[in-house]
Amino acid sequence: DVKVTQSSRYLVKRTGEKVFLECVQDMDHENMFWYRQDPGLGLRLIYFSYDVKMKEKGDIPEGYSVSREKKERFSLILESASTNQTSMYLCASSRSVDRATYEQYFGPGTRLTVT
Amino acid sequence: EDQVTQSPEALRLQEGESSSLNCSYTVSGLRGLFWYRQDPGKGPEFLFTLYSAGEEKEKERLKATLTKKESFLHITAPKPEDSATYLCAVQARGGTSYGKLTFGQGTILTVHP
Repeated sequence: DVKVTQSSRYLVKRTGEKVFLECVQDMDHENMFWYRQDPGLGLRLIYFSYDVKMKEKGDIPEGYSVSREKKERFSLILESASTNQTSMYLCASSRSVDRATYEQYFGPGTRLTVT
Repeated sequence: EDQVTQSPEALRLQEGESSSLNCSYTVSGLRGLFWYRQDPGKGPEFLFTLYSAGEEKEKERLKATLTKKESFLHITAPKPEDSATYLCAVQARGGTSYGKLTFGQGTILTVHP
């Protein structure tokens, strides 16, 4: 079974703090994704990566950055947390074969509260 | 721009009362349509992938179908443990959308005993 793990289930940070959310997958997947999920807005893609050190902006990248130094690990960074970044953050991974991509598998989520 | 619309927003069923959830989509070339189940406070759980019109997939009480414009998730004789939010997502072919999913808002299903 695919396993995607996230570093924390719940996190409380103060405004202006630098926040690191980490995600690890154990299936050697090429692609990794970060989403946020908010009531009424659904799942929105922040960033994704299709290879080590490669990244692409999603729909809402402002205020976020990412890092992928190893294939299995994808980090989301909030450079200076703000209250409007309070949300559920979800990491996902998927495999690619000859540019065909497949279903994404999600981690359990991190509920981040910024006060 | 790729769009996914799910209906209804919420659905309440009695145990054993079969029904369907709808996912309408517009996409510039469909690579795949995905169904997920999400329980409160948890990450989405993958259910099905459909690739072409006419395709069907089944898993226990769930059956997903696909046409050129929409997908249905049929729930036969549901049980209370089927209560969850069901999400639909589409993946477009190639270009800058490589690997990216566009999600619908989800349908909240509640099954009463």
